[in-house]
Amino acid sequence: EVQLVESGGGLVRPGGSLRLSCAPSGFSFSTYTFTWVRQAPGKGLEWVSSITNSGSLIKYADSVKGRFTISRDNAKNSLYLQMNSLRVEDTAVYYCARDAVTTINAFDIWGQGTMVTVSS
Amino acid sequence: QSALTQPASVSGSPGQSITISCTGTSSDVGGYNYVSWYQHHPGKAPKLMIYDVSNRPSGVSNRFSGSKSGNTASLTISGLQAEDEADYYCSSYTSSNTRVFGGGTKLTVL
Repeated sequence: EVQLVESGGGLVRPGGSLRLSCAPSGFSFSTYTFTWVRQAPGKGLEWVSSITNSGSLIKYADSVKGRFTISRDNAKNSLYLQMNSLRVEDTAVYYCARDAVTTINAFDIWGQGTMVTVSS
Repeated sequence: QSALTQPASVSGSPGQSITISCTGTSSDVGGYNYVSWYQHHPGKAPKLMIYDVSNRPSGVSNRFSGSKSGNTASLTISGLQAEDEADYYCSSYTSSNTRVFGGGTKLTVL
């Protein structure tokens, strides 16, 4: 079965750090670009960051630039999001999503999400 | 990176058609045919419904269709069904090689 499973969420104090992971199954991880998307409580979806299949091109939303780092390990079939200097407004469900290979803006497979709560 | 503009809510009766708009700028929606739409039932993973403005992925009902005119994209759902009740989000590629989502639209099936 084609799926993505996120892990690593939890409760963290403002200014703290957290590392999210995303594990794919049922397809060739190294073929695809991947993206992190988040949804704050009561809010809409927000694009966070994307990384191409080789890791050569990385993009971030302005809201996380300089604080978050996306990475991948194709040998370990894993996607990561290192989140530093966390703020209360980073509280959200974080989804990893696979970019469809046939176009440049379509997320065809999504994980169930992992909750990150930033609170003192 | 301002969010695309969607109506907060729309509603319709079973069997009717509804349209959700998604307005951006010439730097995103208007500049590229890379608009996608997602259906999101709370607590579940979002689902891709339309990509490249008007293309449906395999398995998505043909009751869902997409279009674009200028800086505004639209999602139309015909023959509304109870299970269509969900939040819907548009997304566009941008001139900065990033992606942007709309604020989301809550669809209520009366």
